[in-house]
Order: sequence, then C-alpha cells, then structure tokens
Amino acid sequence: DADVTQTPRNRITKTGKRIMLECSQTKGHDRMYWYRQDPGLGLRLIYYSFDVKDINKGEISDGYSVSRQAQAKFSLSLESAIPNQTALYFCATSGSSGSGYTFGSGTRLTVV
Amino acid sequence: QKEVEQDPGPLSVPEGAIVSLNCTYSNSAFQYFMWYRQYSRKGPELLMYTYSSGNKEDGRFTAQVDKSSKYISLFIRDSQPSDSATYLCAMIPPQDSNYQLIWGAGTKLIIKP
Repeated sequence: DADVTQTPRNRITKTGKRIMLECSQTKGHDRMYWYRQDPGLGLRLIYYSFDVKDINKGEISDGYSVSRQAQAKFSLSLESAIPNQTALYFCATSGSSGSGYTFGSGTRLTVV
Repeated sequence: QKEVEQDPGPLSVPEGAIVSLNCTYSNSAFQYFMWYRQYSRKGPELLMYTYSSGNKEDGRFTAQVDKSSKYISLFIRDSQPSDSATYLCAMIPPQDSNYQLIWGAGTKLIIKP
C-alpha cells in the first residue's frame, strides 16, 4: 500500500456542490499538507496541520476548509465548488525537520 | 518577483545527453535545497537534498548549490527516457522555524530515445 493515499483519484463535480477529498498516511508523520497544482503555477499550499489540534491556512485557503480527524487522516473540503478550483490536488506529509515530503498520487478535480 | 524562479520548459534532449536543470532564488538566507521529480499523474518524490553550498552526487544525479549567485542546479548524466518527468526545486527559508517549503514551478524534461 502507498504511504500516502488520496481518494478519489478523479472527480467531476458541478458548480456549487460541496466536495471532500480525503487523505490518509502510514508514515507516522505528524505534519500533513494540502497543495494545489496548476500548470505554470507550481504547487501552492492550501492548508497545513502539524498535529491533530493544529490547523493553519496556507497561501490560497479561501474557498477551502480542512479537518484533521486523526494523526493519519487529513481531509480537504470545497464548500461550494467553482470552476477555477479545477486543478490537481495533492496531500503530503513530512517529519518535523521538513527534510522530505511524501506526496500522495493526487486527485484530479474538475468543476463544471 | 517570485522567491524561486524555474524555467517551465519543456526541455527536450536526446538519450544519453547530460541534462542541466536550474533554479534561481532571491533570498540569500536560504540554506536547505531540494529537488523533486514528478512523473505524469503522480505526486512529486524527493530526489536530492542538500544543505548550504557545494555539490552532492547520487548515481547519475548531481545537485549543485552556488549561494554567491543564488543559483542551484541538478545535473543528470547519461539521461534515459525514464528520466522524462517534471523536476521541481524547493527551498526552506531559515527564518521559518516551521520548515515550510518554497517551490519552483517545475521544469518539464523530455528525453528522446
């Protein structure tokens, strides 16, 4: 099994719908992250969590929310999806030194 | 101006060539530098990790840091079609005790058989 598992792999949803992307990890890391990747813009941080009780906004958190249900689980929600949220979404984990991130395989989200 | 600049490419080279991938950065205080490789429809994976200036070699890959020029490079020797991927550089600013990575946008590399 993968160290970081994201579900679903692909999702098409309609404008205005609420959608949740899920992430689970077996690395035993405390730190978890949600990134968005768009062509030419690279990876942009949406939210990050350093432990179950710690949630922080990244550079592009508007329109998104997260929940850290357990050390191993971190979910991302789009409360009311809009077309410009169409992107590739990645969950990642890291140890406390930040020396290396482990990424999931991503969720390709299309909002129509 | 972005903190980290990286040419998006694509960079297309023949198999067996030496590849040079580069990033420039604006914050002279950066000390930790990483290269990630991302295959299509996959998440990035850590390829090389260096601290401060100098070279680090791992097989066909060499990471080089020139802090005086604020420039980092990744060299790939004897390039293979399996090296075709997007390569992202990442850095950690030392004043950020949370070790949040600053990412380049990635360079798409194509190795032609």
